Amino acid sequence: EAGVAQSPRYKIIEKRQSVAFWCNPISGHATLYWYQQILGQGPKLLIQFQNNGVVDDSQLPKDRFSAERLKGVDSTLKIQPAKLEDSAVYLCASSLGIGTGFSGANVLTFGAGSRLTVL
Amino acid sequence: SQELEQSPQSLIVQEGKNLTINCTSSKTLYGLYWYKQKYGEGLIFLMMLQKGGEEKSHEKITAKLDEKKQQSSLHITASQPSHAGIYLCGADRGKLIFGQGTTLQVKP
Repeated sequence: EAGVAQSPRYKIIEKRQSVAFWCNPISGHATLYWYQQILGQGPKLLIQFQNNGVVDDSQLPKDRFSAERLKGVDSTLKIQPAKLEDSAVYLCASSLGIGTGFSGANVLTFGAGSRLTVL
Repeated sequence: SQELEQSPQSLIVQEGKNLTINCTSSKTLYGLYWYKQKYGEGLIFLMMLQKGGEEKSHEKITAKLDEKKQQSSLHITASQPSHAGIYLCGADRGKLIFGQGTTLQVKP
């Protein structure tokens, strides 16, 4: 099966500019996640969707970050305006299940990530 | 501080040597995931441990879960250059959270 697709793979922008990342999950996966991974740290969940509804966005900086999954399939994460500290890899993942509880359905499959550098 | 602490943070071993990576939780562990990440790439699922005392193996990688110690260990036997990467443990807290990762280099 095709994996989780993300684009672009790399993006360099100036601070205060905007950027958008796109993710297409594995076909049939109900739950989609966006994680932020700063160099040297583990991934941090920004937002979790189940179908097209938001399950968790408690760590999304809503003054500058937004995400949508309009048709319950692909998703876009936007940053506007970008700050230097937003430099990170943005990882998209999907799972068949709801993402909690230990079962194979809740194992996350990750995309290759989008690396953002803010100058 | 991190809810999941991994040790060591980085590790350099000679090819063929054994190594262990630990993941300690500040809260009760009901289960744990291990993922591997190659530089510049996404995370690859390695294994999932669901019960205290559970031990799983895949090729030369073995992981154990000690619920009482709130800890999991990942052991690699006879390391190879293909084992190099970042190993991350993850716990279900209503959402999947991760430790900071352990970077492994294997010298040929």
